[in-house]
Amino acid sequence: GIQVEQSPPDLILQEGANSTLRCNFSDSVNNLQWFHQNPWGQLINLFYIPSGTKQNGRLSATTVATERYSLLYISSSQTTDSGVYFCAVAMDTGRRALTFGSGTRLQVQP
Amino acid sequence: DGGITQSPKYLFRKEGQNVTLSCEQNLNHDAMYWYRQDPGQGLRLIYYSQIVNDFQKGDIAEGYSVSREKKESFPLTVTSAQKNPTAFYLCASTPRSGPNTGELFFGEGSRLTVL
Repeated sequence: GIQVEQSPPDLILQEGANSTLRCNFSDSVNNLQWFHQNPWGQLINLFYIPSGTKQNGRLSATTVATERYSLLYISSSQTTDSGVYFCAVAMDTGRRALTFGSGTRLQVQP
Repeated sequence: DGGITQSPKYLFRKEGQNVTLSCEQNLNHDAMYWYRQDPGQGLRLIYYSQIVNDFQKGDIAEGYSVSREKKESFPLTVTSAQKNPTAFYLCASTPRSGPNTGELFFGEGSRLTVL
């Protein structure tokens, strides 16, 4: 099946700093999403972005499908940004369900 | 409000007992999914269903069973054959079953602890 690798696995930032999270995948995809898991376990949809660039407030994401990677940018980080960020993908052939990476655990310190 | 409802949120079970986790969605989504998450890990696919009365195994289906008798419901049974059932279980759905399923949405999850 498809492989999904996220980096870095852990990240500690001071409030106000910027960061870039990366997601590499091993095959062609027609679905790519970024999620934020809060400390209570809830998974919050950030971006549905199989290709191109999107922005939502302080967050933006870019997927370069031909080179098989996606980036999530967090600017002016806040303590509420803490949690785990997951990338998930589905191939354009075969199984339609999303495969998740192992996540980036972000801690934003005041 | 449209959404995905999972119950119970917390469940304790003795070894050797089967337990069923409920998942209901009122989004009129075609496809539904069950994922398992262990502490500090990512999500792994247990089962998914693209249409009523049909479902497929995911990566870790052993020791689990599902049914899809209604479009809005996709219950998961954790059987006594599942060797390490203590985990966080997440139900999800997508608008379409394929080839592009659209955006995946999650319920709030069920935490199962085996005593």
